[in-house]
Amino acid sequence: AQTVTQSQPEMSVQEAETVTLSCTYDTSESDYYLFWYKQPPSRQMILVIRQEAYKQQNATENRFSVNFQKAAKSFSLKISDSQLGDAAMYFCAYRSVTGTASKLTFGTGTRLQVTL
Amino acid sequence: EAGVTQFPSHSVIEKGQTVTLRCDPISGHDNLYWYRRVMGKEIKFLLHFVKESKQDESGMPNNRFLAERTGGTYSTLKVQPAELEDSGVYFCASSRQEEWGRAYEQYFGPGTRLTVT
Repeated sequence: AQTVTQSQPEMSVQEAETVTLSCTYDTSESDYYLFWYKQPPSRQMILVIRQEAYKQQNATENRFSVNFQKAAKSFSLKISDSQLGDAAMYFCAYRSVTGTASKLTFGTGTRLQVTL
Repeated sequence: EAGVTQFPSHSVIEKGQTVTLRCDPISGHDNLYWYRRVMGKEIKFLLHFVKESKQDESGMPNNRFLAERTGGTYSTLKVQPAELEDSGVYFCASSRQEEWGRAYEQYFGPGTRLTVT
């Protein structure tokens, strides 16, 4: 079974600065998807960024980028030019490609605070 | 396009009582998922519907939990009888049916916070 580990329960960053959230995972599969989801205090969880394991290029979405290290099974999220609206719980998630196993396996989350 | 909606947003019940949670997925989404987050822990998968059929129910904790999706539209998750350890936030998510091996994004609802006292 796959597992996802987020070792930072809480992180803090100043507005306009850069922060990196860590995520490691364990799997025996060679192809899979990885995601970062954001859950603001209003509770609706939204997808921030996704990475397909077969792609070597790191995914980027505006101020959000990932550092995907497949051999190390590491998938960190970098938020550049942090804004107050980035304050939220961030969840790292894994999804198999094979068969019908489309469920997401999540980490425990990292709460990000953004300060002035 | 309306998002995934869940009802109620909060529910407080006593141990032994019954609660039914409802999820309305995005229109046209064949896939519907239920997840649960117990305080401070990871979000855990409960089950997955494809239309009205249960594709994967490997995450259902025990037979006190019953999920249905009659007609392949909205889904209900009933807990009967509720126990203290059932407290948590129950999330529903939906996605389009996969095509050509492409996995579509799961859209999440706001969750139902269940407290069993």
